[in-house]
Amino acid sequence: GQNIDQPTEMTATEGAIVQINCTYQTSGFNGLFWYQQHAGEAPTFLSYNVLDGLEEKGRFSSFLSRSKGYSYLLLKELQMKDSASYLCAVRLPEGLTGGGNKLTFGTGTQLKVEL
Amino acid sequence: DAGVTQSPTHLIKTRGQQVTLRCSPKSGHDTVSWYQQALGQGPQFIFQYYEEEERQRGNFPDRFSGHQFPNYSSELNVNALLLGDSALYLCASRSDGSYEQYFGPGTRLTVT
Repeated sequence: GQNIDQPTEMTATEGAIVQINCTYQTSGFNGLFWYQQHAGEAPTFLSYNVLDGLEEKGRFSSFLSRSKGYSYLLLKELQMKDSASYLCAVRLPEGLTGGGNKLTFGTGTQLKVEL
Repeated sequence: DAGVTQSPTHLIKTRGQQVTLRCSPKSGHDTVSWYQQALGQGPQFIFQYYEEEERQRGNFPDRFSGHQFPNYSSELNVNALLLGDSALYLCASRSDGSYEQYFGPGTRLTVT
């Protein structure tokens, strides 16, 4: 089976930096996504890592180590609007095209940003 | 660009009934995937449609079926509804060969 682990909840202070970790054990790997989901809304794309290393995009950065089955999402200069669930998802290489599109999600990390 | 749209927004059904949910993909997208998200959980992959055929399927029973139309829009059908089918149903679209999926706002299904 596929297993993706994330902390259930985290709390951080406005203006601070927070790191959300994700570990995975899957039957294949074709990339790792991070999504942000506010309550009652659709997930929105944050980042995609397919090679090892750090990808930076504004206040958000994502890191991947394929050998360790590990990723993290780093959020800098936290704002109140960053309070949301953060979903880690692994793209599995299944399907006729070989590239695949099936995403296996973790349960999400609920981040609360406080004053 | 309207992005991914889904209808209806909310739906209440009784156990044993059948339901159809609809999705229109983002303009230019030809691949549609459906996910079920129970409260407090991550989305679970149901199936994916491309060129009007089911290309991949997750671990869901045959009560869950779907369809894709020539204009790439898609339907999700669930028969013999169970209480456990209560969830947010998300549709996601992308261009075949692209990695980035765009999610719709979802349909909140409540089974009583």
